Amino acid sequence: GAGVSQSPRYKVAKRGQDVALRCDPISGHVSLFWYQQALGQGPEFLTYFQNEAQLDKSGLPSDRFFAERPEGSVSTLKIQRTQQEDSAVYLCASSPSLGDLGYEQYFGPGTRLTVT
Amino acid sequence: QKEVEQNSGPLSVPEGAIASLNCTYSDRVSQSFFWYRQYSGKSPELIMSIYSNGDKEDGRFTAQLNKASQYVSLLIRDSQPSDSATYLCAGGVEYGNKLVFGAGTILRVKS
Repeated sequence: GAGVSQSPRYKVAKRGQDVALRCDPISGHVSLFWYQQALGQGPEFLTYFQNEAQLDKSGLPSDRFFAERPEGSVSTLKIQRTQQEDSAVYLCASSPSLGDLGYEQYFGPGTRLTVT
Repeated sequence: QKEVEQNSGPLSVPEGAIASLNCTYSDRVSQSFFWYRQYSGKSPELIMSIYSNGDKEDGRFTAQLNKASQYVSLLIRDSQPSDSATYLCAGGVEYGNKLVFGAGTILRVKS
């Protein structure tokens, strides 16, 4: 079946611009996660949704970052007034888990954001 | 101490050999552990999950978990050049199973 999809795959933004990154999870997956991956590092957790509820946003680095999943499927990660330090790959993952430990997460291809 | 730690490598092994990748974790990490493979410029691909002490085998891959020593390892038998990638170790934390990743170990399989 179809995996997790993300768009755009690449985004170049000028410092100060707002960007919106989209994630389409695997059909039927309840949980959706956003991660940020810097070059040479492992992904770092940003936020987590169970259906439409954002249950954990502890990893969002500042109030410029905002995520939503209004209908419990597609999610959007928005970054306002982008800064150079926001340059990274943004990964979305989905899982069939209802929040229990041990369920596997499947990643999309990521969006590479470059802020100039 | 980082929550999940890996040797960054690179680990170089000849084709056909066994590659051994290791990972240690802190108390905050839960009982679910995952190995992801990441090719350059691509996203992480799940290759193994393990939840209980002991070994779990899947094809050429074996994951090993030792909760008492807080380490998890991945063995790749009959390594192939196509196995050359970065291997990420991850552990689930807290309700919701958000993952904490190590920085990854670069594996190079030489033909």
